[in-house]
Amino acid sequence: DTGVSQDPRHKITKRGQNVTFRCDPISEHNRLYWYRQTLGQGPEFLTYFQNEAQLEKSRLLSDRFSAERPKGSFSTLEIQRTEQGDSAMYLCASSFSWDRGNEQFFGPGTRLTVL
Amino acid sequence: AQTVTQSQPEMSVQEAETVTLSCTYDTSESDYYLFWYKQPPSRQMILVIRQEAYKQQNATENRFSVNFQKAAKSFSLKISDSQLGDAAMYFCAYRASMEYGNKLVFGAGTILRVKS
Repeated sequence: DTGVSQDPRHKITKRGQNVTFRCDPISEHNRLYWYRQTLGQGPEFLTYFQNEAQLEKSRLLSDRFSAERPKGSFSTLEIQRTEQGDSAMYLCASSFSWDRGNEQFFGPGTRLTVL
Repeated sequence: AQTVTQSQPEMSVQEAETVTLSCTYDTSESDYYLFWYKQPPSRQMILVIRQEAYKQQNATENRFSVNFQKAAKSFSLKISDSQLGDAAMYFCAYRASMEYGNKLVFGAGTILRVKS
């Protein structure tokens, strides 16, 4: 198992364009999380899935953001009509739901720059 | 809402010395977890150490140990025998018990520099 992977690692886009990121969790993990990290700050929770169900969404997740996890495997995070304020590192993490300690394993992140 | 505060934006330590990173948190819950994560430059975040709130004994992992003061809502990380590879951003994080959701609430981080 190679851990959590994310693609792409870097994305540069122009304001107003749509972007989509992918996260592949550790294969046995049934929970998947998305966080956003701006420069010099700690990650902030966006949303999480248990299997294919999206169970919680942060108010940070505006209508321009949508996340999916079809078949409970990989997940995608789409941002429509990007704005300069969307520039950040987008982190994905996965875990087991039956692990009381619920350790979350993080991917390397996708760094988004909106020009 | 739960909050996590790391009051030291940056810390420095000499190689082989000991350093302590501070973290305070605010919660009304009694059952929760606290974590320290390490984020090296341009590399992914990894878990350093975890503490369960109902356990009075402080967690230790090799050179890393915590001082958990539940009443004071304080959770500091001590790194002994500091190594060059310890240089990174360190985040303190809180998670409520499983019944109340699973998201991690992070502090703003502390940059640790290790001098040779």
